[in-house]
Amino acid sequence: GAVVSQHPSWVICKSGTSVKIECRSLDFQATTMFWYRQFPKQSLMLMATSNEGSKATYEQGVEKDKFLINHASLTLSTLTVTSAHPEDSSFYICSARGTGAAYEQYFGPGTRLTVT
Amino acid sequence: QKEVEQNSGPLSVPEGAIASLNCTYSDRVSQSFFWYRQYSGKSPELIMSIYSNGDKEDGRFTAQLNKASQYVSLLIRDSQPSDSATYLCAVNFNKFYFGSGTKLNVKP
Repeated sequence: GAVVSQHPSWVICKSGTSVKIECRSLDFQATTMFWYRQFPKQSLMLMATSNEGSKATYEQGVEKDKFLINHASLTLSTLTVTSAHPEDSSFYICSARGTGAAYEQYFGPGTRLTVT
Repeated sequence: QKEVEQNSGPLSVPEGAIASLNCTYSDRVSQSFFWYRQYSGKSPELIMSIYSNGDKEDGRFTAQLNKASQYVSLLIRDSQPSDSATYLCAVNFNKFYFGSGTKLNVKP
């Protein structure tokens, strides 16, 4: 149980284009999902918290107009990187909050984005 | 002060030894504590959770929690080279906080 998928697993795009990443909870409903970014050899950085049916909450320093998050259903959240630039190249990982009382997080496999 | 602190390592242990990973946290009202394993280039994988003071065992893994000392640890018995990874401690108090991780190297 508690499987989270992400699509695509990797993507290469040209500077100035937009990229959409999907995060799905496959066997449970997730009212809350999280989006992280991780640069090589660095720790996870929380970008935003996504709640189903409401606006995402962004962490300080994360541009909400650049990183658009939509949590349209209890099993799907999407992150769109708009007008991507080479500095946006990173490993993007989503997680979904479990349904247990401890609110553990289950991570998707991640999406490696390269902007050329 | 960071909410969750871990020694970045690397921690090197020989195969078959016990690896001990430590984590301290700042908020006394924390209720839930987690250990994640992250292999290089992969996303984190939940391996243990603990909510009460004391020890919790799952196979070769034992999580230890001491709320009075604000300390949580992970012991890995009979360490294997496949255990070589970065181990992230996470604490849930209103919000989920991750430590920066400890890199473990298990030498054959």
